[in-house]
Amino acid sequence: SQTIHQWPATLVQPVGSPLSLECTVEGTSNPNLYWYRQAAGRGLQLLFYSVGIGQISSEVPQNLSASRPQDRQFILSSKKLLLSDSGFYLCAWSGNYEQYFGPGTRLTVT
Amino acid sequence: TQLLEQSPQFLSIQEGENLTVYCNSSSVFSSLQWYRQEPGEGPVLLVTVVTGGEVKKLKRLTFQFGDARKDSSLHITAAQPGDTGLYLCAGDREGGKLIFGQGTELSVKP
Repeated sequence: SQTIHQWPATLVQPVGSPLSLECTVEGTSNPNLYWYRQAAGRGLQLLFYSVGIGQISSEVPQNLSASRPQDRQFILSSKKLLLSDSGFYLCAWSGNYEQYFGPGTRLTVT
Repeated sequence: TQLLEQSPQFLSIQEGENLTVYCNSSSVFSSLQWYRQEPGEGPVLLVTVVTGGEVKKLKRLTFQFGDARKDSSLHITAAQPGDTGLYLCAGDREGGKLIFGQGTELSVKP
């Protein structure tokens, strides 16, 4: 069966510091991968999606970037965090129609 | 721009009551998913509906896809405290991406 992992689970970083969040998927090959941000426990905003290694599409202009160095690895990064980057970050992979989510990373920028 | 509007945004009921959550759009979707999310965790897929007019049941939960595939509803019968959580609907966009509603926060009090 497929599983999806995210780490770290929680992170507190000062403004201006770099960021690296990692997502890995097991039990499937060549998945579509997604990064979302969720503010205040509400709807999900799609940040990036990837259909293959090195293929990244950005949904909204922002302070973040994404990379996919391996088939089942998806990384969310920033060179300098802003206060507005705080939130709950979710990684997902997709099957036929559905998406399956990881446990999330709670990021607080102070 | 495709939008999904969920209503109500908040719902607080007593154990044993029935409730319905609505998800509406002016756009047609090929499929629509419902997710449930608990605080600090990733959303968990409940159901996918694909065919206009389709009805799916998951124990006390009944999901319906509108005939025109523009809207959906989630009905819970005899709600229990364990049903408490954030319910999200999501419709598919091109390229395997989903558009999410803003969520319905359900609280079921014993």
